[in-house]
Amino acid sequence: TQLLEQSPQFLSIQEGENLTVYCNSSSVFSSLQWYRQEPGEGPVLLVTVVTGGEVKKLKRLTFQFGDARKDSSLHITAAQPGDTGLYLCAGAAGGYQKVTFGTGTKLQVIP
Amino acid sequence: DAGVIQSPRHEVTEMGQEVTLRCKPISGHDYLFWYRQTMMRGLELLIYFNNNVPIDDSGMPEDRFSAKMPNASFSTLKIQPSEPRDSAVYFCASSLGGAGYGYTFGSGTRLTVV
Repeated sequence: TQLLEQSPQFLSIQEGENLTVYCNSSSVFSSLQWYRQEPGEGPVLLVTVVTGGEVKKLKRLTFQFGDARKDSSLHITAAQPGDTGLYLCAGAAGGYQKVTFGTGTKLQVIP
Repeated sequence: DAGVIQSPRHEVTEMGQEVTLRCKPISGHDYLFWYRQTMMRGLELLIYFNNNVPIDDSGMPEDRFSAKMPNASFSTLKIQPSEPRDSAVYFCASSLGGAGYGYTFGSGTRLTVV
């Protein structure tokens, strides 16, 4: 079973601060996804990365896939209250149906 | 597109009762997944279908759980009989091409078994 550990588990920051969330595994993934989940809703896909070393930007969010495709990071610049939520990484390996979700990072951005 | 639609949003039932959760995937998506989310275990895959055919049900916890997809626009997850430990949020998700390309999740059904 592939495990995806996310850190930190909880993060509470002031509006305007920067932050980085990490997603680590000992397994190699063919692709990795990041989702944000708000209370009472399902996770929403933010990005999919497939190439080792790949960097993708989505407005103030920057996603990076590790060179060895075992880890990933999500960096948020100038966090806003609307960024509050549960951030989940999910790795696909051994065929595109075996997706493992990470343990999650709960982010709170205080106005 | 209205997205993945699940019903009901909330379900409270007594232990021993049958519970049926419903899902309408996005039109054209060829994969459908049922997940369960709890604080302790996070998101767990229960079963998934490809073109209405069940492919992997190894995540279904017990024989009390069953899932069907009679056509491309409808799926059900049934628990019979329900137990308090089944209390969780159940999500349906659909995908075009497979999980590795990303899911579109529904809003979930919060099940409470008392």
